[in-house]
Amino acid sequence: GNSVTQMEGPVTLSEEAFLTINCTYTATGYPSLFWYVQYPGEGLQLLLKATKADDKGSNKGFEATYRKETTSFHLEKGSVQVSDSAVYFCALIVGGGSNYKLTFGKGTLLTVNP
Amino acid sequence: ETGVTQSPTHLIKTRGQQVTLRCSSQSGHNTVSWYQQALGQGPQFIFQYYREEENGRGNFPPRFSGLQFPNYSSELNVNALELDDSALYLCASSLDSHTDTQYFGPGTRLTVL
Repeated sequence: GNSVTQMEGPVTLSEEAFLTINCTYTATGYPSLFWYVQYPGEGLQLLLKATKADDKGSNKGFEATYRKETTSFHLEKGSVQVSDSAVYFCALIVGGGSNYKLTFGKGTLLTVNP
Repeated sequence: ETGVTQSPTHLIKTRGQQVTLRCSSQSGHNTVSWYQQALGQGPQFIFQYYREEENGRGNFPPRFSGLQFPNYSSELNVNALELDDSALYLCASSLDSHTDTQYFGPGTRLTVL
């Protein structure tokens, strides 16, 4: 089956620090990969996505590159802000079937201190 | 363009009761998926509706059921509530059943006492 493993949190950083959140996946098929962000008390927001190998998704200073050889999609940001404090979820969809359902990792809580 | 909306925001029920949660999909989207997010976990797929028909189901018992209406809004019904049903229930809409990008609503927080 399909699964996503992401680094356990919580992650605590100082403002302007470099962020990496690791994500690896197992998929039967050729998945599209996503990062979603969940701010306290809210639903999920799509942060970025990549649909094929070597694609780089980017948004709001965050980046992630689809690495098929290592089955990874690590999230990075060069300089985090306090407003980036949230839970980050790595997810995948394997298309081609009758429905496209998201498979999520367990989430990584990021806290950025001023 | 209106995003995905869900109601109610919060709900408290007791064991054995039944609950109905509602979702309005984003304008132009005909597919709705429901997810359950337990505290500290990632969301788990419950089922998906496409053009008023169930179009795939996750590993949830039959007491979890749903509907989709002609305007593509959707309901999630849970019968015989159990304590473990306490969770955030998320609705996501997508352009159609073969689109990989899903847009989420704010969720309904269900507490079962």
